[in-house]
Amino acid sequence: VQLVESGGGLVQPGGSLRLSCAASGFSFSDYSMNWVRQVPGKGLEWVSYISGSSNIIYYADSVRGRFTISRDSAKNSVFLQMNSLRGEDTALYYCAKDRAGSSWNFDHWGQGTLVTVSS
Amino acid sequence: DIQMTQSPSSVSASVGDRVTITCRASQDIRSWLAWYQQKPGKAPKILIYAASSLQSGVPSRFSGSGSGTDFTLTITSLQPEDFATYYCQQADSFPLTFGGGTKVEIK
Repeated sequence: VQLVESGGGLVQPGGSLRLSCAASGFSFSDYSMNWVRQVPGKGLEWVSYISGSSNIIYYADSVRGRFTISRDSAKNSVFLQMNSLRGEDTALYYCAKDRAGSSWNFDHWGQGTLVTVSS
Repeated sequence: DIQMTQSPSSVSASVGDRVTITCRASQDIRSWLAWYQQKPGKAPKILIYAASSLQSGVPSRFSGSGSGTDFTLTITSLQPEDFATYYCQQADSFPLTFGGGTKVEIK
């Protein structure tokens, strides 16, 4: 299993970014996927969940209405569109695979992509 | 939202020690709890799921127990590679939430 995130970077407050996570080594459509973020030196915060068939989606309250999760089974990828970014969104964003289809915990993580929101 | 409270926030221990970390949920989460280990600069690694099930490949010195609101992660005979930060996570309902972490440091 391999998860590789990309798309992070420096963005001004109010701006947008689209994160990508390329997955390999497992049957992608059989597993739900998540985004989890971590402010450097701080704890973990779950951000968003998408089921294998994309029919069930959840968001943390802190990002609902601003972030959109999606996935593309043809590309074995999951995405996080982040709009109206704020300073408090600055964090390392991890893509995380569900442990067992839809167990709501995570057995594989990417290396993370850093998002910095600053003027 | 379900709040997860870990204690202690840090613990100093020696190689060979037994270490116990506690996680308390703000409401009943049955056995839907996972434990993760995170080392500096690395992604978290799952150790335990469903409160007491050992993830494949994880050494047997790690064990989890509890149900309802109170859970424990125990490391018997602490090894040098176990010095890290540990997080609990409830998998009972959305939004999924993590504890604040427990840093296991070298005494």
